[in-house]
Parts: sequence; structure tokens; C-alpha cells
Amino acid sequence: GENVEQHPSTLSVQEGDSAVIKCTYSDSASNYFPWYKQELGKGPQLIIDIRSNVGEKKDQRIAVTLNKTAKHFSLHITETQPEDSAVYFCAIRNDYKLSFGAGTTVTVRA
Amino acid sequence: DAGVIQSPRHEVTEMGQEVTLRCKPISGHNSLFWYRQTMMRGLELLIYFNNNVPIDDSGMPEDRFSAKMPNASFSTLKIQPSEPRDSAVYFCASSPGTGASETQYFGPGTRLLVL
Repeated sequence: GENVEQHPSTLSVQEGDSAVIKCTYSDSASNYFPWYKQELGKGPQLIIDIRSNVGEKKDQRIAVTLNKTAKHFSLHITETQPEDSAVYFCAIRNDYKLSFGAGTTVTVRA
Repeated sequence: DAGVIQSPRHEVTEMGQEVTLRCKPISGHNSLFWYRQTMMRGLELLIYFNNNVPIDDSGMPEDRFSAKMPNASFSTLKIQPSEPRDSAVYFCASSPGTGASETQYFGPGTRLLVL
């Protein structure tokens, strides 16, 4: 699949602090950038997405930013809560095909 | 909505045995995807169906893997014969169509262990 690099691989934050995950990609034809959250024993669930004609999108405590020129996009979680602990995947989409990053394990410390 | 349904949720089998994984996509969705998730390779697309027709099977590892979609509400992924390296979590996902931003909805997965 297309190359998507995701950093960091693990992230531990204090409850109430912010968490930021970054992804870079190489396929300039990608036009849709979703973020998925995967809890233990479950399938990935879409939490937010952004299209290539938008630079930033926010949904309550979650925001995504996109820099198409630099080919990177980021997930921002503010006021983290214990239920935010999970593995987060970025993805890029070209036509029907989703290519995923390696994932970030987020742990929110109470 | 029931979401994407997969069965079984867990499967333990011995090397050489046939394994069949099943998926029921969300009603009304035209696209269906099979993914495999491992620690080493992450989430990989195995095969994509649109309107029950296989469109892209370039991710299927080898001839031991086959997938079918006999109708809009059912798909199977078969491994025959199974090998220990096939141990992984297999996800089925569906989406309403093929648009560039159609959301893919994932099932809970089948955790396969081949001994």
C-alpha cells in the first residue's frame, strides 16, 4: 500500500492534558484522511476525517489538521480522559483504498 | 443498526485445516473489504468487493486464500490449508458506496490462531 508514517508509536499523557499524533504520506493523489480509534478486542472506529480541500476540522475535543503541501496531517485530542486510551490509526485514501499508519497507543494516566 | 457482523469471533485450528470466516455487511452498503491485522504488518487490505464483484484482490497473500460474496448480505474468506503465519485478526468492513470519502465501517474482527 501507500506509505504512511505515523508518530509516535506510543504516547502517555496525564488526564486533562493534550495528545498529538502526526502522520506523513507520500501519495499526492490522496484526497481523504480519516482517523480511526481501536479499543482492545474491537474493530477500528472512525472518529474524525478531513478532505483535501479543508485545512482543519474540529469535533468537540478532537481536531484534525491537514497540510497537503507538506503532506502531513495531525490528530489533536484536548482535555484527555481515561476513555481516550486506545490505539489510534491515521489513514489515507486514494479512490477506494485505505492505507493505514502503524498506529499510536495512547495511554491516559488518571 | 447492527453494524458489520463477523463470525466466528475467535478461531483456533491446526495447521493444514480449512478455515472459513464470515461477514455480514451493513444493509444497503455496496462495498465490502477484508483486512488482516498483525503486529508486524499492521492493517492490510486483502480484497475489495463492489456490488458483490471482486474489484481488487491484489492484497490476497497467496492461492491458499480465497474470498466470495454470493449476495449483498454475505461474504466469506477462506484459508485452505491454513498455516501458523496466517494467525492474525481478520476484519471485514463495509461502506455505502465507492465515493472518495465514503466511510468504511469495521466489524469486530475474527481472531485466528493456527497452531
